[in-house]
Amino acid sequence: ELKVEQNPLFLSMQEGKNYTIYCNYSTTSDRLYWYRQDPGKSLESLFVLLSNGAVKQEGRLMASLDTKARLSTLHITAAVHDLSATYFCAAIFMNRDDKIIFGKGTRLHILP
Amino acid sequence: DSGVTQTPKHLITATGQRVTLRCSPRSGDLSVYWYQQSLDQGLQFLIQYYNGEERAKGNILERFSAQQFPDLHSELNLSSLELGDSALYFCASSPQGVPYEQYFGPGTRLTVT
Repeated sequence: ELKVEQNPLFLSMQEGKNYTIYCNYSTTSDRLYWYRQDPGKSLESLFVLLSNGAVKQEGRLMASLDTKARLSTLHITAAVHDLSATYFCAAIFMNRDDKIIFGKGTRLHILP
Repeated sequence: DSGVTQTPKHLITATGQRVTLRCSPRSGDLSVYWYQQSLDQGLQFLIQYYNGEERAKGNILERFSAQQFPDLHSELNLSSLELGDSALYFCASSPQGVPYEQYFGPGTRLTVT
């Protein structure tokens, strides 16, 4: 069964702290995506990770991919209130008819 | 603004009815993807079209169908609607068949009463 599991599902943290969201997937995936969704809004693409060891950074967010562990992480550095949102990871399984599976999302609430 | 448009924004209809959701991809993008987002099921990939042809299929019910037209816009048809079909329906587009990056539309909120 194709699965993408995120944890934690809910995270409340103080401004200025660091934290990591984890995304595990069940079988070989060719691409791993991270998205941000604000309440009542659509999804915004954050990162696309293509290969083992890939690391991408944008501002206070950094995403990495370990294909051997089937794990991607989204690291938040020195969180600010504006980063409060729900973050989704998604994997595309090209050896399974290109199915795209999303994690359940991590609702991040950053307290000022 | 992603450049992807969806109509209508909101749709309220009754059980058993049929509706059509429309999506126009970004200029130049050949792929269109449809997703359903609900509290129960989360975000689910429904189907992908690439340059007019079905390319990948996810958890799309038999009551649902989609197509992509020569001008590359796409329509998602939902029939014999049930209460559980109430959800946000997003479309996304990408330039190629295998998405490097997807651009999401604003969504259509469907309420089935």
